[in-house]
Amino acid sequence: EAGVVQSPRYKIIEKKQPVAFWCNPISGHNTLYWYRQNLGQGPELLIRYENEEAVDDSQLPKDRFSAERLKGVDSTLKIQPAELGDSAVYLCASNQGLARTGELFFGEGSRLTVL
Amino acid sequence: RKEVEQDPGPFNVPEGATVAFNCTYSNSASQSFFWYRQDCRKEPKLLMSVYSSGNEDGRFTAQLNRASQYISLLIRDSKLSDSATYLCVVNRVNDYKLSFGAGTTVTVRA
Repeated sequence: EAGVVQSPRYKIIEKKQPVAFWCNPISGHNTLYWYRQNLGQGPELLIRYENEEAVDDSQLPKDRFSAERLKGVDSTLKIQPAELGDSAVYLCASNQGLARTGELFFGEGSRLTVL
Repeated sequence: RKEVEQDPGPFNVPEGATVAFNCTYSNSASQSFFWYRQDCRKEPKLLMSVYSSGNEDGRFTAQLNRASQYISLLIRDSKLSDSATYLCVVNRVNDYKLSFGAGTTVTVRA
């Protein structure tokens, strides 16, 4: 069974440029998460989707970050414009809802460097 | 105060040694607890859930102390392959937000 797929794996951009990350969750997983992980820190939740609905976006910096999950499957996370402090690994995760096992299945992440 | 705090380490231990470390959480409403493992430049993966009575999975033992609000992980007979960062994770009942600690780094040397 395929795991969570993310792209691109690496992205280097200059500040003020836009960037987008894509995520394809595990088939059948209705809950999708975007996390950001800074160096030496644990992942921090940016947004959680239940199907196509964003049910928790309280930690998403909405002035520059946006996300969508059309049709309740794939998701895209966008940053526009990027700032130096956005350099991090952006992790997508999915599961069937924490009521099941509490296990999140993470993708390999998209490593962003903003110059 | 961070919701989940961990000793960052690193814990450097020889093969075969036992290593143990704790994680404290600030929210007494936390109900579910987990240890995740993250290899260098890889994604986190669930190592084990932590149950109230404590639980073992092979060489790994997890304990929960609700009164003092901490969980622990003990690794027996350490292997080189146990070298990783161990993330402590908690969530509250009916809350789908998992809070991750910053991780404890363990390095097992030959």
